[in-house]
Amino acid sequence: QQQVRQSPQSLTVWEGETAILNCSYEDSTFNYFPWYQQFPGEGPALLISISSVSDKKEDGRFTIFFNKREKKLSLHITDSQPGDSATYFCAMNYGGSGNKLIFGTGTLLSVKP
Amino acid sequence: DPKIIQKPKYLVAVTGSEKILICEQYLGHNAMYWYRQSAKKPLEFMFSYSYQKLMDNQTASSRFQPQSSKKNHLDLQITALKPDDSATYFCASRRTANSDYTFGSGTRLLVI
Repeated sequence: QQQVRQSPQSLTVWEGETAILNCSYEDSTFNYFPWYQQFPGEGPALLISISSVSDKKEDGRFTIFFNKREKKLSLHITDSQPGDSATYFCAMNYGGSGNKLIFGTGTLLSVKP
Repeated sequence: DPKIIQKPKYLVAVTGSEKILICEQYLGHNAMYWYRQSAKKPLEFMFSYSYQKLMDNQTASSRFQPQSSKKNHLDLQITALKPDDSATYFCASRRTANSDYTFGSGTRLLVI
């Protein structure tokens, strides 16, 4: 059962372009949506997050757009840099004991100089 | 300096053997977790601990046993290892159940 879907699986953009990463979910009880960035050989690192009461969150070149009605999110990376090349995971906080995170399958982003 | 230390970084084990994955966090966090990342699969939640007590267990197999000897330690013992156990195992922590996670750099386990 795949609760969190991410697309595309991989994405290549040129330096300076905007990369758009998509995420969708099924469970309407999710209320917190962090995005993680993972470089090869490292653990995921929190990049930016949004709660279900907001429809947009911006942090520098990174912006999350959230559509609660459609259960969709997107991460926009403007002015993409080669250093942004990494795997990006959409995650969701699942309430209840332990408050575990449910992760998507990830999008591998490659930014070409 | 790494705030969450996972040891070893790489581990090769023989089928049927037993291994312990070490995790120590120096963030003063009260909740600790184990996640597994297998090839072409999402990161999967395994266990959560709060104040050294098991809060949630989503691992079907009893071969996986978390061990918390100290507040800032959460080791993972895996017995009767199988090739399907090959994955990267990430330890994570957060101050409270509503705080953001910090992940370690993982232990890459290969079972042959």
